Amino acid sequence: EVQMLASGGGLVQPGGSLRLSCAASGFTFSSYAMTWVRQAPGKGLEWVASISDTGGSTSYADSLKGRLTISRDNSKSTLYLQVSSLRVEDTALYYCAKGSGAAGSRTDYWGQGTLVTVSS
Amino acid sequence: DIQMTQSPSSLSASVGDRVTITCRASQGINNYLAWYQQKSGKVPKLLIYAASTLQSGVPSRFSGSGSGADFTLTISSLQPEDVATYYCQTYSSALGTFGGGTKVEIK
Repeated sequence: EVQMLASGGGLVQPGGSLRLSCAASGFTFSSYAMTWVRQAPGKGLEWVASISDTGGSTSYADSLKGRLTISRDNSKSTLYLQVSSLRVEDTALYYCAKGSGAAGSRTDYWGQGTLVTVSS
Repeated sequence: DIQMTQSPSSLSASVGDRVTITCRASQGINNYLAWYQQKSGKVPKLLIYAASTLQSGVPSRFSGSGSGADFTLTISSLQPEDVATYYCQTYSSALGTFGGGTKVEIK
């Protein structure tokens, strides 16, 4: 069974940084791209970033570029998202999602998400 | 960047009704389009990819069509368990833009 467990969320002050993790199981992690998607409270889905199977190719939402780093450790089947210079508007549930192929932003299975709250 | 526009933003229909949701891309995206269903408080679930391919396990009352820039998601006979918000997403480029969502309710 495909499972993804996101963690690392919490309450952080504006201007702070956070590193989110997503531990994956139930599939060959190193063979698939991975993606982060976020959802602000009561709002729609927003694609954040994607990374290819090897980590050699990354892409970021223009609105967030420069403040994000997506990475992965295939030996640990874990995906990461480093977010810096956090703003109140970054408050959201951050989902990690398994890609449908080796690269690109198409996804098929999503984890439960981790909540990031940016507030002073 | 590609923009995805869904319509309507919400709809109310009776059980058994045929429901259609539209998604329009700001430029041609071939058939690189997916549809997701998100029930209240739940994780989004993939329904359709490549514009018209049903994900395994998804009921056949769901169907997708379209190509180029205009796409539709159709529920042939609305069921109470279909109450949810539906999102389209393009994956035609490295960026994976979502539409704004369509909330479907039972009348």
